[in-house]
Amino acid sequence: SQKIEQNSEALNIQEGKTATLTCNYTNYSPAYLQWYRQDPGRGPVFLLLIRENEKEKRKERLKVTFDTTLKQSLFHITASQPADSATYLCAFQGDNFNKFYFGSGTKLNVKP
Amino acid sequence: SQTIHQWPATLVQPVGSPLSLECTVEGTSNPNLYWYRQAAGRGLQLLFYSVGIGQISSEVPQNLSASRPQDRQFILSSKKLLLSDSGFYLCAWIAGPYGYTFGSGTRLTVV
Repeated sequence: SQKIEQNSEALNIQEGKTATLTCNYTNYSPAYLQWYRQDPGRGPVFLLLIRENEKEKRKERLKVTFDTTLKQSLFHITASQPADSATYLCAFQGDNFNKFYFGSGTKLNVKP
Repeated sequence: SQTIHQWPATLVQPVGSPLSLECTVEGTSNPNLYWYRQAAGRGLQLLFYSVGIGQISSEVPQNLSASRPQDRQFILSSKKLLLSDSGFYLCAWIAGPYGYTFGSGTRLTVV
């Protein structure tokens, strides 16, 4: 079965730097991969989707890459701000298009 | 615009008691609906999903069940809660390529 791995250790960076979060998977490459932001006590909020045939997707200060050879997706936040502090989750389409599976998330702390 | 409502926000229930969590969606028809559970400090575990009225797919055998009595209503139930049922329950619907839209969640504590 598909396994999704995100770094369980929190990522601490200084304001203004670029934050890079990693999502690795085993087995098959999903057709779709999503990234979400989750604040404490709240439901996740959708940020970006990238398709299997797309290498990179950008949205404002966010950038997602998808490397099917490495079986990895990277999520970048440039010019990070304290307001970017949250837990970031990646999600993969399952073998059934109706299902997405989530990683455990990586907590990002941006210090002023 | 589409909105998703989930209630209650918090719930404390004794072991062995029944459970009913309700989720409704507005502004869309025939949505795919989902129940996820998140244990403390963990990722989201897919519990059930539904592609239409009366159609329920279960991901993990457990003490819970789901029903979809109406197009935009999704209910999560249990006849007898266990301590291990504690967690943060999230209802969601998928908006095509724009990802899931999640409800605000229910924090369930079984005591």
